[in-house]
Amino acid sequence: GAVVSQHPSRVICKSGTSVKIECRSLDFQATTMFWYRQFPKQSLMLMATSNEGSKATYEQGVEKDKFLINHASLTLSTLTVTSAHPEDSSFYICSTTDRENSPLHFGNGTRLTVT
Amino acid sequence: GQNIDQPTEMTATEGAIVQINCTYQTSGFNGLFWYQQHAGEAPTFLSYNVLDGLEEKGRFSSFLSRSKGYSYLLLKELQMKDSASYLCAAMDSNYQLIWGAGTKLIIKP
Repeated sequence: GAVVSQHPSRVICKSGTSVKIECRSLDFQATTMFWYRQFPKQSLMLMATSNEGSKATYEQGVEKDKFLINHASLTLSTLTVTSAHPEDSSFYICSTTDRENSPLHFGNGTRLTVT
Repeated sequence: GQNIDQPTEMTATEGAIVQINCTYQTSGFNGLFWYQQHAGEAPTFLSYNVLDGLEEKGRFSSFLSRSKGYSYLLLKELQMKDSASYLCAAMDSNYQLIWGAGTKLIIKP
């Protein structure tokens, strides 16, 4: 079945630094990639939707200059958390689908801890 | 507005049956998904319903009533490994997923 590879799985960084998270679709072309954030004991919160070759669409309240999304190819999307702060510590998950109204394929998630 | 409601937490006994309910309100409807999420892991797909009725898949079944905006996930012959959060998500007319907060299922021996 379709597989989505997300790296890194865990990252600890210092406040003020930037962290890049990669998400790759391994056996299909991911035209659209969804980036979610999940705080402990809460559900998934959609941060942004990225489409290959165009600018990402950010959800209300998500700072586009802080969470940079690049979707330069049909198999790779990246999320960069710039100038990270402790409140950015969370579980970030990418997901995509190979067609509309079909189940999402999730990456394994990235646990970000900002100290 | 768009909204998903499901219980926060449920407890059940190993070997028993449990039903997790979900009600939804969305702008248009393109299906209802159930995902399982173990702590610290990404969600995994369990089921998808777009037509009314019951879909059975092994120990897990999912039911949908579009007129009532209601779905449930039925887990039979519960095992300890079924302890997880179960997320209900409805897809709206724009094919966007609206997520519930998840139901934490605790299985006791």
